[in-house]
Amino acid sequence: QQQVKQSPQSLIVQKGGIPIINCAYENTAFDYFPWYQQFPGKGPALLIAIRPDVSEKKEGRFTISFNKSAKQFSLHIMDSQPGDSATYFCAAGPNFGNEKLTFGTGTRLTIIP
Amino acid sequence: GAGVSQSPRYKVAKRGQDVALRCDPISGHVSLFWYQQALGQGPEFLTYFQNEAQLDKSGLPSDRFFAERPEGSVSTLKIQRTQQEDSAVYLCASSPRTGRKGYGYTFGSGTRLTVV
Repeated sequence: QQQVKQSPQSLIVQKGGIPIINCAYENTAFDYFPWYQQFPGKGPALLIAIRPDVSEKKEGRFTISFNKSAKQFSLHIMDSQPGDSATYFCAAGPNFGNEKLTFGTGTRLTIIP
Repeated sequence: GAGVSQSPRYKVAKRGQDVALRCDPISGHVSLFWYQQALGQGPEFLTYFQNEAQLDKSGLPSDRFFAERPEGSVSTLKIQRTQQEDSAVYLCASSPRTGRKGYGYTFGSGTRLTVV
């Protein structure tokens, strides 16, 4: 019940395209759903996070869509750029993000010029 | 400090050796987390502190792993009698923890441990 399933494992998109990464969770106690971006040799950096009381959140070129009934959420990157090439992790946790997070297995995104 | 600082950045240990990994969280951050990230995988939770209290250590894989945060600031993750399966990146994160509003974690760059 603690798993967070992430897909796809890798993704190649043309510059300007909209990569979409999907995650599904099982634990209904989760109420905080962040996305992290990680570059090689660096720690994960928080991109954007959503609470289950909203169905969509936008910050700059990044959008989270959330479907509470399906227990699924996804990350969309608008107008993707080669600098967005990184590994992206979804995560989920209880208590508004103040406790441990369960991470997905990651998506390696490559944006080609 | 401006970010979460971890040291050393790289550690090579011989099998059976004890190691200590240090984490300096962002000043004033109440919560501190340790995660283990194997190559090509997502971070996996090890343990978490609120100030000096270790509130959850359910992710520590064995009793060879021990973490402490005696003064509610710097934390040390100690691994005794290291094994090859301990090879991973160990990530530390801190969070201000302000009740209902989730600020999210700030991660350090990690310590890459290689056991040979």
